[in-house]
Amino acid sequence: AQTVTQSQPEMSVQEAETVTLSCTYDTSENNYYLFWYKQPPSRQMILVIRQEAYKQQNATENRFSVNFQKAAKSFSLKISDSQLGDTAMYFCAFMDYNTDKLIFGTGTRLQVFP
Amino acid sequence: DVKVTQSSRYLVKRTGEKVFLECVQDMDHENMFWYRQDPGLGLRLIYFSYDVKMKEKGDIPEGYSVSREKKERFSLILESASTNQTSMYLCASNTRGVADTQYFGPGTRLTVL
Repeated sequence: AQTVTQSQPEMSVQEAETVTLSCTYDTSENNYYLFWYKQPPSRQMILVIRQEAYKQQNATENRFSVNFQKAAKSFSLKISDSQLGDTAMYFCAFMDYNTDKLIFGTGTRLQVFP
Repeated sequence: DVKVTQSSRYLVKRTGEKVFLECVQDMDHENMFWYRQDPGLGLRLIYFSYDVKMKEKGDIPEGYSVSREKKERFSLILESASTNQTSMYLCASNTRGVADTQYFGPGTRLTVL
């Protein structure tokens, strides 16, 4: 069975700085997808970024980028130029190629300070 | 924009009551999901449905049932609510078979007294 591990329950960063959230996963599959979701306080969960395992190039979305290390089964999220609005719970998630189901990590609560 | 709505943001029920949580999506998605979210445990899948009247158990189905009579609507039912079902419940939907991202509703915070 696949598992997703987020080892940092809480992190903090100052506005305009860079922060990296860690995620590791375990799977015997070769084809899969990885996601980072953001859940702001009292607001809806939204997709931050997505990575296909067959793509070697790391995904980037504006200030958000990932470091995908397939051999190490690592999928970290880097947030550059942190903003107060980045304060949220961040979840790493795994999707098997053959299913549409997500397996989530336990989340990292990120606080951005002015 | 994809819209997933849930019937209530906050709900308080008594132990033993039958509880219905409803979810509606407007994107014609085949798949719909129910999760519960608890601190330190992340999101855990309760049930999902890949078509009308079809359902599959997730990781923690005990104490729950679901109903999907129409494509856009997916209901979670707590037959006899218990205090250990106090939690945040999230609904999500996506397109079947293309590894689509899941789109989430705002969540229902259920308290069982």
